[in-house]
Amino acid sequence: GQNIDQPTEMTATEGAIVQINCTYQTSGFNGLFWYQQHAGEAPTFLSYNVLDGLEEKGRFSSFLSRSKGYSYLLLKELQMKDSASYLCAVGMIYNQGGKLIFGQGTELSVKP
Amino acid sequence: GAGVSQSPRYKVAKRGQDVALRCDPISGHVSLFWYQQALGQGPEFLTYFQNEAQLDKSGLPSDRFFAERPEGSVSTLKIQRTQQEDSAVYLCASSQGRGDEQFFGPGTRLTVL
Repeated sequence: GQNIDQPTEMTATEGAIVQINCTYQTSGFNGLFWYQQHAGEAPTFLSYNVLDGLEEKGRFSSFLSRSKGYSYLLLKELQMKDSASYLCAVGMIYNQGGKLIFGQGTELSVKP
Repeated sequence: GAGVSQSPRYKVAKRGQDVALRCDPISGHVSLFWYQQALGQGPEFLTYFQNEAQLDKSGLPSDRFFAERPEGSVSTLKIQRTQQEDSAVYLCASSQGRGDEQFFGPGTRLTVL
């Protein structure tokens, strides 16, 4: 079966750093995606890891360890607008069309 | 348009009614996906098209759900004889090809009374 786990909610302070963890066990793997979703809006792409290691993009970084089935999203210099749900998703292999299997999402609240 | 669009944005249906949800993907995107998102949950895969071919419909919850993309562009998700458990946000996403970044539409929020 498919299993993706991430914390339900997290709280952090403006200007701080927060790390959102994700563990996965899936029957196929073609990369690990992170999406941001504000309430009532569409998920928007943040990052993609297919090889082990850290990918950095501005204030956001994402890490992947395929052997451990583990990823994290690191958000630096938090801003109030970063309050949103963060979705971890495994991209499935090509013969499954590259569909995404999502975790339940982590609701991040950034406090002043 | 520049992004994926969906219509209607909100739909209220009485139990037993049929509904049709429309998705306009980004022009030229080959792959199109439908997902269902319940409140407080992550999206769940429903079905996948490559051009006009429906290659995976393993996520459709029952035979009341039907999707089509007859000309390889616009797609319609149809739900027959709606039930209360069908209440959710239905998201459409498109990508240039298999495995590429998926761009999501704003979703249709379906409420079945």
